[in-house]
Amino acid sequence: DAGITQSPRHKVTETGTPVTLRCHQTENHRYMYWYRQDPGHGLRLIHYSYGVKDTDKGEVSDGYSVSRSKTEDFLLTLESATSSQTSVYFCAISDRASYNSPLHFGNGTRLTVT
Amino acid sequence: AQSVSQHNHHVILSEAASLELGCNYSYGGTVNLFWYVQYPGQHLQLLLKYFSGDPLVKGIKGFEAEFIKSKFSFNLRKPSVQWSDTAEYFCAVGGSQGNLIFGKGTKLSVKP
Repeated sequence: DAGITQSPRHKVTETGTPVTLRCHQTENHRYMYWYRQDPGHGLRLIHYSYGVKDTDKGEVSDGYSVSRSKTEDFLLTLESATSSQTSVYFCAISDRASYNSPLHFGNGTRLTVT
Repeated sequence: AQSVSQHNHHVILSEAASLELGCNYSYGGTVNLFWYVQYPGQHLQLLLKYFSGDPLVKGIKGFEAEFIKSKFSFNLRKPSVQWSDTAEYFCAVGGSQGNLIFGKGTKLSVKP
């Protein structure tokens, strides 16, 4: 398995609070992604990064921000958590040796917003 | 925008039955296609991928998929399922941002 660590694994938070999820990789891959997984929706891309300090929005970016100050770390912040952001969040990485290289996923963070 | 459709939400099979899960994608140009599996409580793992060449792709654990360009399809197959194949299966297509665009998934339950 690719060296991807997500933290925390589980979190319960209250509506309106900020939350930061961390993805740490040891593969030195350039590309990192945040997805959320919801029943009936599959996985949807929130934000992605194509290098240090280089990030862009995905399909469902509203209410989320990201930062990548080092190759190995990609942070996802919920600026003011809402119940609709209750989900399982997966980080993925890719070396893009070829276009659309397979993604390797972390173990996920289960976030509950009450 | 590219999209992926998985027609079956939940499939229930008995052990040794044959499996075929449908996947259709929307883009008519060159596509890269993937199947991922997610076992209960785990992360997604790559089963197989198609970039070019032989349209019949063999993956891990006895799975295979056939790319049929004229039908915009990339169906997943396995001749004989096992109880351990119980999982959720996701079809995905490569997106313009280098990411993958996923279908909504198909849950497979295999009865022992």
